[in-house]
Amino acid sequence: QVQLVQSGAEVKKPGASVKVSCKASAYTFTTYGINWVRQAPGQGLEWMGWISTFNGNTKYAQKFQGRVTMTTDTSTSTAHVDLRSLTSDDTAVYFCARGSNWYSDPRAYMDVWGKGTTVTVSS
Amino acid sequence: QSVLTQPPSVSGAPGQRVTISCTGSSSNIGAGYDVHWYQQLPGTAPKLLIYDNNIRPSGVPDRFSASKSGSSASLAITGLQAEDEADYYCQSYDTSLSGSWVFGGGTKLTVL
Repeated sequence: QVQLVQSGAEVKKPGASVKVSCKASAYTFTTYGINWVRQAPGQGLEWMGWISTFNGNTKYAQKFQGRVTMTTDTSTSTAHVDLRSLTSDDTAVYFCARGSNWYSDPRAYMDVWGKGTTVTVSS
Repeated sequence: QSVLTQPPSVSGAPGQRVTISCTGSSSNIGAGYDVHWYQQLPGTAPKLLIYDNNIRPSGVPDRFSASKSGSSASLAITGLQAEDEADYYCQSYDTSLSGSWVFGGGTKLTVL
């Protein structure tokens, strides 16, 4: 079945970087984009950004501009998110979610989600 | 705070009907962008519940329905069941801040 499998939990110190991976299976990777969404403890969902798996185009939430990089590896059907200069406010569960189109479509929704990767930032 | 406003919590007894509102503005829902809804059961990832304002993906019971009007949208759940207890989020697109996908703050549904 269609699924997104994410990498394991991470513990990082303030100021460090973290890279989370999301491996897709059972569908053609390059026909859907990948969103990254995070959820701080006890809080709601926060959209971080989107990447086209077809051409690598990205769209980042203004809040994360300059601190986040999203990439894909089509040879392994894997998407990655790299977040730098971590602070305790970045402690959250990070989800990847398949976008309904490979291009930046304002009408897009997120139809398949990974189980999430817990990132803890602590000194 | 989110650009899409949802009530923090709603509740209802088994069998009852509840609605969850999602209020936006002229830069998102009011601009004509579609609204999508997600259900997040405790300790799990969100699940797509409704897309394109009112379409249920395969497998979602018809007890769940949604609508959109003007700058707002709403999700209705009829015949409440214990397993409906979850957090519900609306999502749309917003043209401010260079354009981005946005979520509502989420609504916790408690089945009494």
